[in-house]
Amino acid sequence: DAGVIQSPRHEVTEMGQEVTLRCKPISGHDYLFWYRQTMMRGLELLIYFNNNVPIDDSGMPEDRFSAKMPNASFSTLKIQPSEPRDSAVYFCASRPGQGGYGYTFGSGTRLTVV
Amino acid sequence: AQSVTQPDIHITVSEGASLELRCNYSYGATPYLFWYVQSPGQGLQLLLKYFSGDTLVQGIKGFEAEFKRSQSSFNLRKPSVHWSDAAEYFCAVGANTGTASKLTFGTGTRLQVTL
Repeated sequence: DAGVIQSPRHEVTEMGQEVTLRCKPISGHDYLFWYRQTMMRGLELLIYFNNNVPIDDSGMPEDRFSAKMPNASFSTLKIQPSEPRDSAVYFCASRPGQGGYGYTFGSGTRLTVV
Repeated sequence: AQSVTQPDIHITVSEGASLELRCNYSYGATPYLFWYVQSPGQGLQLLLKYFSGDTLVQGIKGFEAEFKRSQSSFNLRKPSVHWSDAAEYFCAVGANTGTASKLTFGTGTRLQVTL
């Protein structure tokens, strides 16, 4: 298995632009998670899906952030409009249906908003 | 609500020395517990996990961790550290109830290894 695949690896954009981050989870994993990592706040859970349905989006910072999972093999996290304080590393993770197995993380997308 | 505390932000050890990274959790029942490692520019890699059974858990790269319910701890150990172990280590706790899914991560411990 290729693992959790995220694209792009790096994104530099100007303030006010729309940014779309992409994630392909491991085939057969029922859960998909989006995390954000910064020096100040560490790892923050933004949103997670179960069987393509958003379950908990309480970590999404503002309405500028949105996430979708149109099918079991693809998810997007969109920021519109982007701001410099959104600069962070965004991780996608997936896991099977039972909690004991832990997550598998992607390599992350480093977003820089200038 | 579940929570994790990693009291050491940064630890330096000499290569070949033993290592113990501390993790304390808060959860009302027996939790799922995990240790992850993150190398610079990389995602998090699972080192080991505990969810039932033997309280001493073996993981990859020679790491082990011991679940101590009385102390609400899940400390990570390695008998002899290698320079390649330099990285950031995260402890995480998850609910051990049905499909309750969220993992809560600690703030991490950065390990530096001197030669």
